[in-house]
Amino acid sequence: EAGVAQSPRYKIIEKRQSVAFWCNPISGHATLYWYQQILGQGPKLLIQFQNNGVVDDSQLPKDRFSAERLKGVDSTLKIQPAKLEDSAVYLCASSFQNTEAFFGQGTRLTVV
Amino acid sequence: GENVEQHPSTLSVQEGDSAVIKCTYSDSASNYFPWYKQELGKRPQLIIDIRSNVGEKKDQRIAVTLNKTAKHFSLHITETQPEDSAVYFCAASRRGGAGGTSYGKLTFGQGTILTVHP
Repeated sequence: EAGVAQSPRYKIIEKRQSVAFWCNPISGHATLYWYQQILGQGPKLLIQFQNNGVVDDSQLPKDRFSAERLKGVDSTLKIQPAKLEDSAVYLCASSFQNTEAFFGQGTRLTVV
Repeated sequence: GENVEQHPSTLSVQEGDSAVIKCTYSDSASNYFPWYKQELGKRPQLIIDIRSNVGEKKDQRIAVTLNKTAKHFSLHITETQPEDSAVYFCAASRRGGAGGTSYGKLTFGQGTILTVHP
């Protein structure tokens, strides 16, 4: 079974610029999550989708972060404008009903 | 919301020794407790999980115990090997019922860097 695909793997941008990350979940997985993992910390949930609807975005900094999953499959996470403290690995995960969450390799963002 | 505390932050053992990592959680409604292993630059991978209706679960050299009353759970690795070296994360979630969604909506601990010396 193919895993969760994310791109790009690495991204370096200057503060105040915008950036977008892409995620393709495992086929058939209705639930998709975006996590932010700051160096030395555990992942923190940013947003959860069920098909193309948002289930939980309570920890998403909505003044600068946005996410969508228009067709209930792929998802994009955008940051605009980026701040230095946004430097982190952004992990996408997906799950199917009562199964565990499977994580992608992540996108490592460096804001300079 | 849920808060998960994990200890120790670093753990160094000799090959063949046992390693124990402990976590506590705050939300008594949490009912699913997975453990993830993350090697440097790689994705977190599930190594074992336990649900709240079970007190202990074992898979070869890895075991997890859960004490619902005290709200803590632990990972035990026996006969450690150098390839066990990684960062280990505990997590908690609430599946089902009011406010519960799925096993992937996780609150993670801070992580434990395990180093197994040959």
